[in-house]
Amino acid sequence: SQTIHQWPVTLVQPVGSPLSLECTVEGTSNPNLYWYRQAAGRGLQLLFYSVGIGQISSEVPQNLSASRPQDRQFILSSKKLLLSDSGFYLCAWSGLGIWTEAFFGQGTRLTVV
Amino acid sequence: GDSVTQMEGPVTLSEEAFLTINCTYTATGYPSLFWYVQYPGEGLQLLLKATKADDKGSNKGFEATYRKETTSFHLEKGSVQVSDSAVYFCALSGDLNRDDKIIFGKGTRLHILP
Repeated sequence: SQTIHQWPVTLVQPVGSPLSLECTVEGTSNPNLYWYRQAAGRGLQLLFYSVGIGQISSEVPQNLSASRPQDRQFILSSKKLLLSDSGFYLCAWSGLGIWTEAFFGQGTRLTVV
Repeated sequence: GDSVTQMEGPVTLSEEAFLTINCTYTATGYPSLFWYVQYPGEGLQLLLKATKADDKGSNKGFEATYRKETTSFHLEKGSVQVSDSAVYFCALSGDLNRDDKIIFGKGTRLHILP
């Protein structure tokens, strides 16, 4: 069966520090991968999605970046965090085609102080 | 581009009340439609889905019907429980001819009072 792992679960980082959140998927090949951010009162915002290794689409301008070094690995990064980067970050994967749903990781609660 | 609009919350109901959470979408083509639920401190999990017009998705007493004529996918439940308190997200997956990324609404927080 397929599983998705996302870590860390919680993270407190100072302003200006770097960020690296990692997400891995097991039990499937060539998944679509997603990074979402959920800020208080603002719903679920799609940050990045990827349809293959090295293929990243960015949905919103920001100081975050994403990379997909392996088929089932998706990394969210920042060189310098801002206070506004605080939020709940969710990684997800879906199969190919429009009929498959997304499967989510447990999320990372990031607090920038 | 494709988008999803759902009613703003929070929605507060008493236990055993009837629930409707409205969701409408904009899409060119024939997307699949989903409802996800997020319990406190957790990621999202799929609640139900419908892949073509007039399909009805159902799970755990929740239902939603894919209405192409009104571009809607409203979530309903006949008798809610305290354990249904959560945030509910409507979503669509895009047209296969363009890209199939999944787009979510802003979410509706539901509070059920005992």
